[in-house]
Amino acid sequence: DAKTTQPTSMDCAEGRAANLPCNHSTISGNEYVYWYRQIHSQGPQYIIHGLKNNETNEMASLIITEDRKSSTLILPHATLRDTAVYYCIVRVENKIIFGKGTRLHILP
Amino acid sequence: DTGVSQDPRHKITKRGQNVTFRCDPISEHNRLYWYRQTLGQGPEFLTYFQNEAQLEKSRLLSDRFSAERPKGSFSTLEIQRTEQGDSAMYLCASSTVDTQYFGPGTRLTVL
Repeated sequence: DAKTTQPTSMDCAEGRAANLPCNHSTISGNEYVYWYRQIHSQGPQYIIHGLKNNETNEMASLIITEDRKSSTLILPHATLRDTAVYYCIVRVENKIIFGKGTRLHILP
Repeated sequence: DTGVSQDPRHKITKRGQNVTFRCDPISEHNRLYWYRQTLGQGPEFLTYFQNEAQLEKSRLLSDRFSAERPKGSFSTLEIQRTEQGDSAMYLCASSTVDTQYFGPGTRLTVL
């Protein structure tokens, strides 16, 4: 079973920041939090990952709470192309266990 | 484009036929993974190779399924005697140590 829980769906206005929450209360000390997204009928796309420090790249920022039991993915200026299913994952050894993710709708 | 390619992108077959899919990973990646995704669900892990060795197989991988990676580069996934329940997207991913990069998938429809 997936070790994360996410809201089923979220809406965000175009141009605003999209904040996607994830709970991973059973995460172990050496397990990373990964985020992927999947646009309809495409393969999952890697976004970002982190262990305990906040991370930022050209796509997004990842904020991990100090106790590591939850995290937030931030898309700073959402566009219509960001409409997708976003998966928060705690990587378990060599395989990724996906949950159902959050379906993010960007509203024009 | 992540650099992981899959062929074919779409396959329609009749129940009982055998099908084979190919995955070409990113060239320097020694790890290769297969996943299956059905409608409305997240991808499910099937199997994992490190170089040519198949190191882990999911219980989802019934004896009708076989995967190979003969020279540690490309991989094939074969399904024998296909059933309608095999209809899904079959995804391949590759990695070095950690981050997995996914291909576009092969969509299989079994009639």
